[in-house]
Amino acid sequence: EVQVLESGGGLVQPGGSLRLSCAASGFIFSNYAMAWIRQAPGKGLEWVLGITGGGGNTYYADSVRGRFTISRDNSKGTVYLQMNSLRAEDTAVYYCAKKYATSSGHGFDYWGQGTLVTVSS
Amino acid sequence: QSVLTQPPSVSAAPGQKVTISCSGSSSNIGNNYVSWYWQLPGTAPKLLIYDNDKRPSGIPDRFSGSKSGTSATLDITGLQTGDEADYYCATWDSSLSGSLFGGGTKLTVL
Repeated sequence: EVQVLESGGGLVQPGGSLRLSCAASGFIFSNYAMAWIRQAPGKGLEWVLGITGGGGNTYYADSVRGRFTISRDNSKGTVYLQMNSLRAEDTAVYYCAKKYATSSGHGFDYWGQGTLVTVSS
Repeated sequence: QSVLTQPPSVSAAPGQKVTISCSGSSSNIGNNYVSWYWQLPGTAPKLLIYDNDKRPSGIPDRFSGSKSGTSATLDITGLQTGDEADYYCATWDSSLSGSLFGGGTKLTVL
């Protein structure tokens, strides 16, 4: 059974840092790209970062480029999101999601339950 | 303002059909695959359609996706009250080198 589980959310002050983790299991982790997708309170979904299965390629939304970093440890089946210089507008539920296939195409088939990040003084 | 444009809301009666549109450009929908998700309040999104028109196992054939040019469409037939949710389209944008989500459409089953 595929499982995706985020952790690490919480309350942080503006300008602060936080690291989220996403532990995945039930599939060959290194074969699949992963992504972080967030949802501000009452708003829609926003893709923020992605990383290929081997970790060699990373992709960033302009809204977080230079402040957030995605990485993965395939030996641990875990994806990380390092968030620096946090702003109030980064307040959101952060979801970790698995790409549905190893080939080209588009779709995220397994999502975690989300972890809430609140940026406030 | 999302790069992918969806109607904010749609509604229809139980048993009827509804269509949700997703409009983009050549850098995203026009040259990449589209996926669709549904989300109930307070829960994680779930994949409905991937690669424009394919359904994951367990998704009923009442849900169908299509793409033409720079637009994509999600059709839901035989509407049920349990279909009330927010629906999102998504795709890759080759210019931005990142994925995009539409603004979302709230479906109300009257």
